[in-house]
Amino acid sequence: NSKVIQTPRYLVKGQGQKAKMRCIPEKGHPVVFWYQQNKNNEFKFLINFQNQEVLQQIDMTEKRFSAECPSNSPCSLEIQSSEAGDSALYLCASSLSWGREQYFGPGTRLTVL
Amino acid sequence: GDSVTQTEGQVALSEEDFLTIHCNYSASGYPTLFWYVQYPGEGPQLLFRASRDKEKGSSRGFEATYDKGTTSFHLRKASVQESDSAVYYCALSDPGGSNAKLTFGKGTKLSVKS
Repeated sequence: NSKVIQTPRYLVKGQGQKAKMRCIPEKGHPVVFWYQQNKNNEFKFLINFQNQEVLQQIDMTEKRFSAECPSNSPCSLEIQSSEAGDSALYLCASSLSWGREQYFGPGTRLTVL
Repeated sequence: GDSVTQTEGQVALSEEDFLTIHCNYSASGYPTLFWYVQYPGEGPQLLFRASRDKEKGSSRGFEATYDKGTTSFHLRKASVQESDSAVYYCALSDPGGSNAKLTFGKGTKLSVKS
């Protein structure tokens, strides 16, 4: 079973508020991905890291989303100004190396009122 | 871009029935293929992967064979149990490309009644 830890499990914010969620990747996994899963169960890649460095992110992420994976601290994903359309399950996944299988945490379910 | 197509949106079976979920993919490179399972309130769990033509992945009685010729990776199980009820996702990753992100199919919801 995966040992990726995500907190909080549930997050409720008003529109325009900041929303921050955290992820502790599996021990020894230097590659971290963030995905958004919407209510239709569709997955959208947001950003990935390797050893604290951002490798790729989509345009949406560049504008309102920020993320970091500092050394010896949890990774985090923050939405600067939440919108109703951001309501979704945010999944963190970690991997032993580039291109290997990814192991997911339980997710943070964000509801934007 | 890369894509994954799962034909069945929902499958309803009885215990001990045979399961097939069809998965076809489209990718420019030579992708690695995965099956994930997601239970309510949880993140996707890896069932297994395959990374080359004719390789068979298997776990917990589920299996799928990478077929480059037909670009398929169909999931099969000989005898399902009620505890197999979940959403199953076929996914691919192109590690040779610039982004090793997972591209998922739309998922197949499996319901098994006892």
